[in-house]
Amino acid sequence: NAGVTQTPKFQVLKTGQSMTLQCAQDMNHNSMYWYRQDPGMGLRLIYYSASEGTTDKGEVPNGYNVSRLNKREFSLRLESAAPSQTSVYFCASSELIYNEQFFGPGTRLTVL
Amino acid sequence: KQEVTQIPAALSVPEGENLVLNCSFTDSAIYNLQWFRQDPGKGLTSLLLIQSSQREQTSGRLNASLDKSSGRSTLYIAASQPGDSATYLCAVNAGTGRRALTFGSGTRLQVQP
Repeated sequence: NAGVTQTPKFQVLKTGQSMTLQCAQDMNHNSMYWYRQDPGMGLRLIYYSASEGTTDKGEVPNGYNVSRLNKREFSLRLESAAPSQTSVYFCASSELIYNEQFFGPGTRLTVL
Repeated sequence: KQEVTQIPAALSVPEGENLVLNCSFTDSAIYNLQWFRQDPGKGLTSLLLIQSSQREQTSGRLNASLDKSSGRSTLYIAASQPGDSATYLCAVNAGTGRRALTFGSGTRLQVQP
C-alpha cells in the first residue's frame, strides 16, 4: 500500500497563477485533510472532508478551494497564488474524523 | 480556542539517555492526542495515538502518557539512539470544527553518538 500520496513534490509559481495540489489515499479512509506548515507557525488546518461529499473550512481557508473528487482523492486549489501561500502543504487521511491521521510526504510550494 | 505548547523547543542528549518530551493543551475537551515524528524535509510519521479515555500507550521504546484533566501529555523515549534524531510533534483532536487537529510547534531532538 502506498498510503497517502501527493503530487507534485515541488512547485514554483508566479503571483496570480493558479494550480491544484493532488492527494490520494489507498487505505479506504473516510476523512481527508489539507494542512500547511510554516516556520514558527506549526501545522495549520486549511480544509477537511469528514466523508465523501462533504468539505469544511479549517483554521486558514482563505485563498484556497477544495474538491473531494471521490473517496480516494482530495484536491486543493489555489486560484490566484500569493507569496503568503509559500509553504509546505500536507495531505492526511483517517478512517473517521476522530481517528489516527496518516500524512503524505508533502508539496513544497514557492510563490514568487 | 485550543492552544498546544511543546517544551523544550530543542533538546540535545548523548546516545543511551532516557528522555521526556512535554506537550500541554488548554482545552481538555479532546477525543485523542497523537504524537508524530518528522524528519527534515519529510512528512509526518504517526508514533502513538492516545484516546481521551486512556492514560498511556506504548510502542517499543516509546511510551506516551495523557492526563486530560491537567492538559498534559509526555512522550518518553528509552535508551535514545542517533536514529531518533528528528522533530517530535504532538497534536490534539477535538473532532469536528475548524481546528479538528491542533498541533504544537514541536521539539527538535538531537541524539549525539
